[in-house]
Amino acid sequence: QVQLVQSGAEVKRPGASVMISCKASGYTFTTYAMHWVRQAPGQSLEWVGWVHPANGATKYSRNVQGRVTITRDTSATTSYMELSSLRLEDTAVYYCARLHLVPGGMDVWGQGTTVTVSS
Amino acid sequence: EIVLTQSPGTLSLSPGERATLSCRASQSVINNYLAWYQQNPGQAPRLLIYGASRRATGIPDRFSGSESGTDFTLTISRLEPEDFAVYYCQQYGSSPSFGGGTKVEIK
Repeated sequence: QVQLVQSGAEVKRPGASVMISCKASGYTFTTYAMHWVRQAPGQSLEWVGWVHPANGATKYSRNVQGRVTITRDTSATTSYMELSSLRLEDTAVYYCARLHLVPGGMDVWGQGTTVTVSS
Repeated sequence: EIVLTQSPGTLSLSPGERATLSCRASQSVINNYLAWYQQNPGQAPRLLIYGASRRATGIPDRFSGSESGTDFTLTISRLEPEDFAVYYCQQYGSSPSFGGGTKVEIK
């Protein structure tokens, strides 16, 4: 079945970096953009960025631009999100989700990875 | 950047009642690239509606979406116990954004 499986929870110090992986299976990896979304405790969802696995094109939210890098490994059908210079306010659950404009919407999500930034 | 404003913040209703959730966009949403998601505590969001009015696979027909210009609406015709959750709208153009959410709680 179609699924996205993310790596486990992380605890980091302010100023450190974190990398989360998202392993896709059950579909053709290169036909869907892979988006990353985060949710701080008790807050709404915030879009972080996306990569298109077919060509590696990326786009990032202005809120994290300059600190985030999203990549993909097509042979491993895996996307990665690295966030550097971590701040306390980066504490959140991070999700990967696939999206195709047709039909539309993020129809499959990973289970989420909790990133805690604490001194 | 398109800002999505959802209202109300909280909706208190009883099972069997009709729920109407609103989402207003700060500018036109290209190609009606507007989706609705349901989220339960500790879970990932679940896609309900895409293209403003199309139900995702497996979504019951008590869920419906509509649009009028930059105003979008999610309607749940008769609330079932499992429908009490938080709902988010999202525009999924090249720089997606989410609304602040509406919590549907049991009255």
